[in-house]
Amino acid sequence: AQTVTQSQPEMSVQEAETVTLSCTYDTSENNYYLFWYKQPPSRQMILVIRQEAYKQQNATENRFSVNFQKAAKSFSLKISDSQLGDTAMYFCAFMQETSGSRLTFGEGTQLTVNP
Amino acid sequence: GAVVSQHPSWVICKSGTSVKIECRSLDFQATTMFWYRQFPKQSLMLMATSNEGSKATYEQGVEKDKFLINHASLTLSTLTVTSAHPEDSSFYICSAVRTAQPYNSPLHFGNGTRLTVT
Repeated sequence: AQTVTQSQPEMSVQEAETVTLSCTYDTSENNYYLFWYKQPPSRQMILVIRQEAYKQQNATENRFSVNFQKAAKSFSLKISDSQLGDTAMYFCAFMQETSGSRLTFGEGTQLTVNP
Repeated sequence: GAVVSQHPSWVICKSGTSVKIECRSLDFQATTMFWYRQFPKQSLMLMATSNEGSKATYEQGVEKDKFLINHASLTLSTLTVTSAHPEDSSFYICSAVRTAQPYNSPLHFGNGTRLTVT
């Protein structure tokens, strides 16, 4: 079974600075997808970024980028120019290619952006 | 596009009663929907996979007779918590997979339902 580990329960960052959230996963599969989801206080799940395992290039979405290290099974999220609206719980998630879109989530990291 | 509506957003019920939560895909068809449970400050735990026209697949440890799932159409899945007890109080979230999109497309989540059993 796949597992996803987020070792930082809480993090904080000053507005406009950069922060990196860590995620590691364990799988014996070669084809899979990794995601970062954001859950603000409204509790709506919002997709931040997605990475296909077969792609070597790290995914980027505006201020959000990932460092995908397939051999190390690591998938960290970097948030640049942090904004107050980035304050949320962030979940790393894994999807096996043959799972029919079934997600396995990490424990989450509560990020607080301070003014 | 790709809106998933979950209703109600908040419900309080008495112990022993049943509560139905609806998950609708408003602008797309969803053959598969997922139901998650989330305790405060914890992660989302998959409860079951709902497939249109067939029986739901439950995760290990989830009581299928307590959490009844019906996926009668391509746009609606319902979760009924039967004979609810205070320990069933939680936040329930559904997600839907767009049928027409490529395999393993991103999931679209509902806004969640906060259930409180008194």
